[in-house]
Amino acid sequence: GDSVTQMEGPVTLSEEAFLTINCTYTATGYPSLFWYVQYPGEGLQLLLKATKADDKGSNKGFEATYRKETTSFHLEKGSVQVSDSAVYFCALSDQGFQKLVFGTGTRLLVSP
Amino acid sequence: KAGVTQTPRYLIKTRGQQVTLSCSPISGHRSVSWYQQTPGQGLQFLFEYFSETQRNKGNFPGRFSGRQFSNSRSEMNVSTLELGDSALYLCASRPTPADRVEQYFGPGTRLTVT
Repeated sequence: GDSVTQMEGPVTLSEEAFLTINCTYTATGYPSLFWYVQYPGEGLQLLLKATKADDKGSNKGFEATYRKETTSFHLEKGSVQVSDSAVYFCALSDQGFQKLVFGTGTRLLVSP
Repeated sequence: KAGVTQTPRYLIKTRGQQVTLSCSPISGHRSVSWYQQTPGQGLQFLFEYFSETQRNKGNFPGRFSGRQFSNSRSEMNVSTLELGDSALYLCASRPTPADRVEQYFGPGTRLTVT
């Protein structure tokens, strides 16, 4: 079945450092891809999405490009802030939009 | 527009009891999905309801059930609670299942089974 693999955390960075969180997927057809963020004690918030190959999703300085040839959707940000500390989930929605399949989550810790 | 709301936010139950959680979707959204989040299994899909009908179901035992009302509000029920049912239960809504848009999540209900 469909699956998402993302890098283990925690990822620990200093403020203004460059961030990459790797995400790869396995799916039949053409899934839609998402990054969600979860702050402590809260639900999930959509960070960005891409619905077809070569699409680039972006929001709040975060970016990710849908790479079908490498089945990847890596999350990047040029300069992280302390307020970016959270857990980040990569997810896919299959072609039939039946459900979201999530990766295990990557905790990001940003220190001043 | 108000977001997805879930009640209660926190719940403590004893093994063997049953529990009902409630979710009110964003106004105009008719599809409601439920997910379970645990440290061990991560985020897993439970089921989706649309127009008061269960449209899709994840791989959970029959103790987990749900329903949707005519106003699109949804409830999920867990009977004969087990310690392993302790989790954050998240509800998500979207206009319809065919919409190629993101699902909007509520803050979750934290269930603790003792």
